[in-house]
Amino acid sequence: QVTLKESGPGILQPSQTLSLTCTFSGFSLSIYGMGVGWIRQPSGKGLEWLANIWWDDDKYYSPSLKNRLTISKDTSNNQAFLKITNVDTTDTATYYCTRIRKTYYGFNVMDAWGQGGSVTVSS
Amino acid sequence: DIQMTQSPASLSASLGETVTIECLASEDIYSNLAWYQQKPGKSPQVLIYDVSRLQDGVPSRFSGSESGTQYSLEINSLQSEDAATYFCQQHHDYPWTFGGGTKLELK
Repeated sequence: QVTLKESGPGILQPSQTLSLTCTFSGFSLSIYGMGVGWIRQPSGKGLEWLANIWWDDDKYYSPSLKNRLTISKDTSNNQAFLKITNVDTTDTATYYCTRIRKTYYGFNVMDAWGQGGSVTVSS
Repeated sequence: DIQMTQSPASLSASLGETVTIECLASEDIYSNLAWYQQKPGKSPQVLIYDVSRLQDGVPSRFSGSESGTQYSLEINSLQSEDAATYFCQQHHDYPWTFGGGTKLELK
């Protein structure tokens, strides 16, 4: 069974750095085709993709936040991380981490999601 | 960026009815499309991937199809538990993008 769980500070102030951890089980990020993605969702709004990291350490970022994002992984401890620098109130959202796997035909699917971690940026 | 224009933004339907939700991609995404269901207070869950493949455990009343750059999610024989918000998502090219969502209400 694949499970993921996000953890983070909950509340932080503008200009600080947001550090999120995704702790997962049921799969390994060292296996071909596996990845972890980060998605966020402001309250009552839609979904925004932020970043992916793959088994081979390939990384992809949202261009709208690229200069502020860093994704990384600790394969031996089954964790992935996302840092967002210089946060402001527009970064207030629920942050999800997802397992991404390659399908039989070589496409991708985010087939497991964490419960989400709420982040509020407020002075 | 590839834009995913999802419609309608909301709809109301009765138990047993059939509804269709559509996503129009701004360019060819070569079938790299998934549909997600999100219930209030919960995280999204994949329903369909690779345009038309059902995720394990998803009822067969859900189906997906494509016609050019238009992708559709059909839900047959609506059940009360289908009340949710549905999102399409393309993963053909980065940045991955989502449709704006369709909120389905059961009458």
